[in-house]
Amino acid sequence: NAGVTQTPKFRVLKTGQSMTLLCAQDMNHEYMYWYRQDPGMGLRLIHYSVGEGTTAKGEVPDGYNVSRLKKQNFLLGLESAAPSQTSVYFCASSQLERTSGRYEQYFGPGTRLTVT
Amino acid sequence: GNSVTQMEGPVTLSEEAFLTINCTYTATGYPSLFWYVQYPGEGLQLLLKATKADDKGSNKGFEATYRKETTSFHLEKGSVQVSDSAVYFCALRPLRAQKLVFGQGTRLTINP
Repeated sequence: NAGVTQTPKFRVLKTGQSMTLLCAQDMNHEYMYWYRQDPGMGLRLIHYSVGEGTTAKGEVPDGYNVSRLKKQNFLLGLESAAPSQTSVYFCASSQLERTSGRYEQYFGPGTRLTVT
Repeated sequence: GNSVTQMEGPVTLSEEAFLTINCTYTATGYPSLFWYVQYPGEGLQLLLKATKADDKGSNKGFEATYRKETTSFHLEKGSVQVSDSAVYFCALRPLRAQKLVFGQGTRLTINP
């Protein structure tokens, strides 16, 4: 199992450019998440999905859009990048095991995005 | 609302020293509590967790006990190694929610 993978690993954008980050998971998880990590601020949830075809806003959704057309993929889009979106972006997936109540998020390796 | 507060870093210790990283939380109901670790250049990995009051999570020599009366989940290790150098995140999962709330992270550096 590859677990959670993210593409690309690094990217540099100019202000106003657009891009899409791809997250893929091979664990058949229902839930997927996009976070950003900034120094001194921990991880902040951007958007998340509770199943194929669903998306919901997290803590810091402005300036981002997401889509979950297939269960295994979760895309994060920046339509018009701004320097404030310079960050490290992490994708995660999880499954709630209803019989045991066990819940764990599995993280990808991250994408480092710089907007100049 | 739900929030997690961790001790400010960075924390620098010598090898074999005792480690404590404080974590307190605010939540409605009884959340599940987690510690995640992030090694340089990698994503986060689950280190340990506890799902109810007085539970003790443990892994790789690290321990944390869910204390409802003090709303705390402090991370401890008796003798740290250079390989423990990483960023540690405390997190909570609100009751019946399918997402986590993270603290700001504490960077730990262990010197030989």
